[in-house]
Amino acid sequence: ETGVTQTPRHLVMGMTNKKSLKCEQHLGHNAMYWYKQSAKKPLELMFVYSLEERVENNSVPSRFSPECPNSSHLFLHLHTLQPEDSALYLCASSQGQGSYEQYFGPGTRLTVT
Amino acid sequence: AQTVTQSQPEMSVQEAETVTLSCTYDTSESDYYLFWYKQPPSRQMILVIRQEAYKQQNATENRFSVNFQKAAKSFSLKISDSQLGDAAMYFCAFRAPYKLTFGKGTLLTVNP
Repeated sequence: ETGVTQTPRHLVMGMTNKKSLKCEQHLGHNAMYWYKQSAKKPLELMFVYSLEERVENNSVPSRFSPECPNSSHLFLHLHTLQPEDSALYLCASSQGQGSYEQYFGPGTRLTVT
Repeated sequence: AQTVTQSQPEMSVQEAETVTLSCTYDTSESDYYLFWYKQPPSRQMILVIRQEAYKQQNATENRFSVNFQKAAKSFSLKISDSQLGDAAMYFCAFRAPYKLTFGKGTLLTVNP
C-alpha cells in the first residue's frame, strides 16, 4: 500500500528535541488527517485539513503543530513533548472531508524519552 | 457526541470457520456512515467494508459481511472462511458529518 506514505517510520526523541513527522498522499485527495493511536485506546483525531485549511483541532496541546503546505503533504511538528505523547501517529487522506473512506499511512512510532 | 463500543477486546477463530465481531454506536445523527477497518501487524490501516445508514441492505465484500441493525445501533462484522491473513486488529468506525470516531478495536487471532 503506497497511496499514503509517512516518514520516519520510527522516531525516538528527547523531551527537549524538535522533530517533524511527514505525510504524503499520492491519491489526489483534498483532505488530510492526523490521528494518535495509543495502546488500549481508540484512535484520537488530532487535526483535519481540507483544501489545505485546518478545519478541526481537537484540543490538541500546542506542542503539536500541524502544517499543510499543499493538498499532498502534511507535517506534524513536535517540540518539548512529554513521555505520554509516545504513540503511533497515523496520517490519513480522503476525497472530501470524509465523504468516503479514509486511506491511512503506515504510521510513525514515536517514543519520547 | 458519537461513541463507538467494541465489547470484545480479543477473539479467536479456527481457519476456515466463521467469526462475528460486535460493534455498537451511539449517535443522534440520522445520516451517517459506518466502517470496519483492519490493522494487520504491519500497522497500515485498511478499509474492509462500508455501510451507509440510509441503506437497509447489509454490505458485503467477498468473505466479509455486516449485520446492520439501525434501530439497535448495532454494526457487526462477519468473516466467513477465515484465513490466516485475516489475523489483525479490527476497528469499527462511525462518521458524521466528517469526523471519524473509532472503537477500541478487537484483536482477531486465526488458528491454523
